[in-house]
This record gives sequence, structure tokens and C-alpha cells, in this order.
Amino acid sequence: SQQGEEDPQALSIQEGENATMNCSYKTSINNLQWYRQNSGRGLVHLILIRSNEREKHSGRLRVTLDTSKKSSSLLITASRAADTASYFCASFNQAGTALIFGKGTTLSVSS
Amino acid sequence: DTAVSQTPKYLVTQMGNDKSIKCEQNLGHDTMYWYKQDSKKFLKIMFSYNNKELIINETVPNRFSPKSPDKAHLNLHINSLELGDSAVYFCATLTDNYGYTFGSGTRLTVV
Repeated sequence: SQQGEEDPQALSIQEGENATMNCSYKTSINNLQWYRQNSGRGLVHLILIRSNEREKHSGRLRVTLDTSKKSSSLLITASRAADTASYFCASFNQAGTALIFGKGTTLSVSS
Repeated sequence: DTAVSQTPKYLVTQMGNDKSIKCEQNLGHDTMYWYKQDSKKFLKIMFSYNNKELIINETVPNRFSPKSPDKAHLNLHINSLELGDSAVYFCATLTDNYGYTFGSGTRLTVV
């Protein structure tokens, strides 16, 4: 069964605005990861947050994790047209043998 | 030098044919995966190999057969192709930090 569900499915913003994507998951996790996929390309690992962390930053990215609510959010600040992509959250299955991905949020940033 | 390379990038073939997709990595990672991404961008794990040994074999039709001749290669052979096999197939490796490095994908179209 699917581990993560992103929300919203699609998001359209203007350059310079912030974009927030949410992810909910079902089972306990050791870590949660976010990936970006540009059109026609493979997924690129953005950031990993461990279950004992509440917030993590990487450049313009800020990820939060609330294990009590089984949810995470990805914030992209001061968005650029180049941020246009699909964003996926992922966590390992219960056996710890493979990442299970959510359905993704498609972000469009217009200039 | 591409870290995870897949060939071919595009594959158009007729129903009933047999085809192979190849994946090679130069990262020295032990674990490799095949994922299928459908037209709605949903990513589903198909197979996982650790150092040439099969770890995961999800509920995939037995027309799909992975082969790992060595740690750097994980190929996917598909027999008797069906229209529903049309998708983008991604190879990925597991990094030391528990994230994935993806290939750029193989877009398979069955006509």
C-alpha cells in the first residue's frame, strides 16, 4: 500500500512566492525524504529528515516533520521558474527494503 | 560520467515483443532497484537487488525478469509486452545516506 500522500496535487504560484507542499504517511518511519522530478527526467534527492528531527534546512528548502501527526511539509522560499517540477515524499517500507513514494505535487512557477 | 545510466532512453515496440532495458551504475552502491512510473506519475517498486541477490520481487507479472550480472548492472527483461506495460521505468541505487540516485528513465511505449 502507498506510504505517502502529497497535498496539494498541483500548485501554481508566481516567482518570488513561497510554495508549501504537505505529505502524510501511514506507518512509523526512520526517516522521510523529498525528491524533485523535472519533466522527462529522473528523480533527484533533495533532503532527508530523520524521525528524531523536527525541522531541517537546505538552501531555500525547509522541511518539517511531525511524527505525532505522521506528516511532513516542504517549503520552498522565494521560488524561481526553475523550481517548476513534481515533488515527491518517500519513506521506507516496513521491511526497510525500498522507498515508497507518494503521488507527488506538481509545482508550476510562472515569471 | 553519468552515475546511473539507463539504455535505451526511449523504446517503442509492438505488443507481444520481448525487450530489455539496461541499467549501469558507477557509484559502487550495493543495492539497485527498478521502479515503474505510470502516466499519473505514480512510482511503484518492482524489484530490488543487493550485490546481485534478489531482495524484493513485488507483485509484478512473471513476464518481467530482472537480471544482475554483477554489482554494477541491473537489467530488466520483459516478455510478451502488453499495452499496459507502457510507462517510464527507472533504475535507482541506494546511497550510504539512505537516499536514492536515479537514472534518467526509459520511456517504454507499447503499440
